Amino acid sequence: SYEVTQPPSVSVSPGQAASITCSGDKLSDRYVSWYQQRPGQSPLLVIFQDTKRPSGIPERFSGSNSGNTATLTISGTQTVDEADYYCQAWDSTTRVFGGGTKLTVL
Amino acid sequence: QVQLQESGPGLVRPSETLSLTCTVSGGSLYDSLYFWAWIRQAPGKGLEWIGSGYYTGDTYYKPSLKSRVTISLDTSKSQFSLKLRSVTAADTAVYYCARDQEEKFDYWGRGTLVTVSS
Repeated sequence: SYEVTQPPSVSVSPGQAASITCSGDKLSDRYVSWYQQRPGQSPLLVIFQDTKRPSGIPERFSGSNSGNTATLTISGTQTVDEADYYCQAWDSTTRVFGGGTKLTVL
Repeated sequence: QVQLQESGPGLVRPSETLSLTCTVSGGSLYDSLYFWAWIRQAPGKGLEWIGSGYYTGDTYYKPSLKSRVTISLDTSKSQFSLKLRSVTAADTAVYYCARDQEEKFDYWGRGTLVTVSS
């Protein structure tokens, strides 16, 4: 079955850009979504179809997908962005999440 | 605004069946654009897709769980359900229901913790 892989943790200083990767075989052949999950909360969709932002998601969140790697980028990272982030890919019959990346803003 | 709410027992005995219901408001289970999904998260762990159901009765399950899982939709009640058979402690998790548009889960419930213990 298809799998996607994320780094367990990423650290960034406030105001800097944070990049979180998601790797999978020929991942660019699939759409990737990204979710933010703060402690004790449900996941929140922040990017879908590789690059699109749902209504209400700040412009500092952006995404890309090329080759075997999709990337979530947070520009001008704020302390409120500290959370777990999950990528998600799909095919016609299954959906798969990455293992999650803990973003620390310090 | 679509809202989803999970309900069901918070404690299930080992070897028994976990049963949860998700009630949907502000949207229709008949909508051909969407599947309806169950996702879980074990304590301190990541998200795990369990499966998704469609209004036609079509269902898709994670291969490793397929032998124990049933997802069904009751469109008349705007509810869909999860049954997970022969549970063990490894099935202890927060269970979420979500609206599934294949490439994304755009609305989620608040989640319900189910503990498997005797």
